Amino acid sequence: QTVVTQEPSFSVSPGGTVTLTCGLSSGSVSTSYYPSWYQQTPGQAPRTLIYSTNTRSSGVPDRFSGSILGNKAALTITGAQADDESDYYCVLYMGSGIYVFGTGTKVTVL
Amino acid sequence: QLQLQESGPGLVKPSETLSLTCTVSGGSISSSSYYWGWIRQPPGKGLEWIGSIYYSGSTYYNPSLKSRVTISVDTSKNQFSLKLSSVTAADTAVYYCASVQWLAFDYWGQGTLVTVSS
Repeated sequence: QTVVTQEPSFSVSPGGTVTLTCGLSSGSVSTSYYPSWYQQTPGQAPRTLIYSTNTRSSGVPDRFSGSILGNKAALTITGAQADDESDYYCVLYMGSGIYVFGTGTKVTVL
Repeated sequence: QLQLQESGPGLVKPSETLSLTCTVSGGSISSSSYYWGWIRQPPGKGLEWIGSIYYSGSTYYNPSLKSRVTISVDTSKNQFSLKLSSVTAADTAVYYCASVQWLAFDYWGQGTLVTVSS
């Protein structure tokens, strides 16, 4: 079974930069997996940040950016703000209509 | 802008079938631009894709749930539905419906908590 791995947690200072990654238990992530990223605060539905590797969803600030770094998908937050403190999930499209969510990363801003 | 709203029982007994409906507004469920999906999140845990459907009725399911899941669409009501059979406590979760475009989930419902308990 495919496992999509993310760092369990990250801490970033206000104004700082943090890069979250999204990898595969076996193999490399490429643009062919159409990685997407979601932000979720407690008690709320997820919010779409990035799709198709690096396209920002409508209304998403440009301090959020997506890319491929090495063999993983990556989400970079540049100039972190207090309200960026959330859980972040990636999703990979595995083909044949199948999606797999990553394990999620909890980001703390302090 | 699309809006999605989940509805259905908040409590289901073990071994019974969980049934939820997602009502889409602000757009047509028959749009060729979208698929429609269900995602769930057990309390304190991560998100899990359950399955997706196209307005034509084509369905795609999470292999780990495939034997218990049925997703259907009712274009006349602008709704799509989820049925999950033989539920156990492990199926207790917040269930979200979402639109799927560009191979990503874009608009999300607010979610509905379904508890499996006798």
